[in-house]
Amino acid sequence: AQSVTQLGSHVSVSEGALVLLRCNYSSSVPPYLFWYVQYPNQGLQLLLKYTSAATLVKGINGFEAEFKKSETSFHLTKPSAHMSDAAEYFCAVSEGFGNEKLTFGTGTRLTIIP
Amino acid sequence: GAVVSQHPSRVICKSGTSVKIECRSLDFQATTMFWYRQFPKQSLMLMATSNEGSKATYEQGVEKDKFLINHASLTLSTLTVTSAHPEDSSFYICSARGDRYQETQYFGPGTRLLVL
Repeated sequence: AQSVTQLGSHVSVSEGALVLLRCNYSSSVPPYLFWYVQYPNQGLQLLLKYTSAATLVKGINGFEAEFKKSETSFHLTKPSAHMSDAAEYFCAVSEGFGNEKLTFGTGTRLTIIP
Repeated sequence: GAVVSQHPSRVICKSGTSVKIECRSLDFQATTMFWYRQFPKQSLMLMATSNEGSKATYEQGVEKDKFLINHASLTLSTLTVTSAHPEDSSFYICSARGDRYQETQYFGPGTRLLVL
C-alpha cells in the first residue's frame, strides 16, 4: 500500500520569497514520485518526477524537488516565488513501472502575497 | 508533446439523462487511460483504469454500471455517466499513459458536470 501526506493545506509566501511545499510518502517498494500543479478549473500539469535516477529533480517553471529516502520525503521548492505560481499543488506516488496507479496527497494551495 | 484533451469542458444535464465525456491523447498512443473524480477543494479520486481493447478495472465503491468506460482505440477513451443524478455533479479528469515515459500520467483539462 502507498500513501502521501502533504503538510499544510494552505501555504502563503511573499513574491520573491522561497517556496517550500512538503510531501512525505509511504510505499512498500521503491517509489516513483510526482508533483503536479492545478490551476482553477483545469486539469493537472506535471511539474517534475522522480523515477529512481538523480535524487535532485528539476522541473518546469523553476521548481525542483529532492528525494530523501531516509526521511521518506519529496519536498517541492522554488527559490523565488512569482505571482503566477499561485495554484493548487499535488504530490503523488506510484509503485513504479508495472503499477502506474497514482495515489495523490490532499493538495496544498499556494498563495503569493504581492 | 503528451497532450490530452477532454470534451466537453463543461456540461449541464437534467437528472436521469446520460452524459458522455471523451478523453483523447492528441500526440501519442495511450495504452492506458485513467478516470478521476474531484470534488471541490479535494484531491483526485481514481475511479477506474482502462486499457485499450479490454474491460476497465474499477476502484472499490465505483459502480461500473453507472460509470461506463470504453477504451476502443489507442487515442480515445469515453466515460458515460448513466442516469445521472445531482450527486454525480463533479469535476471529472482523465489521464493517459503512453509507451514513452510509461511511468508518467498526462492529464486532460477536466470536465465539469452539473446535474440539475
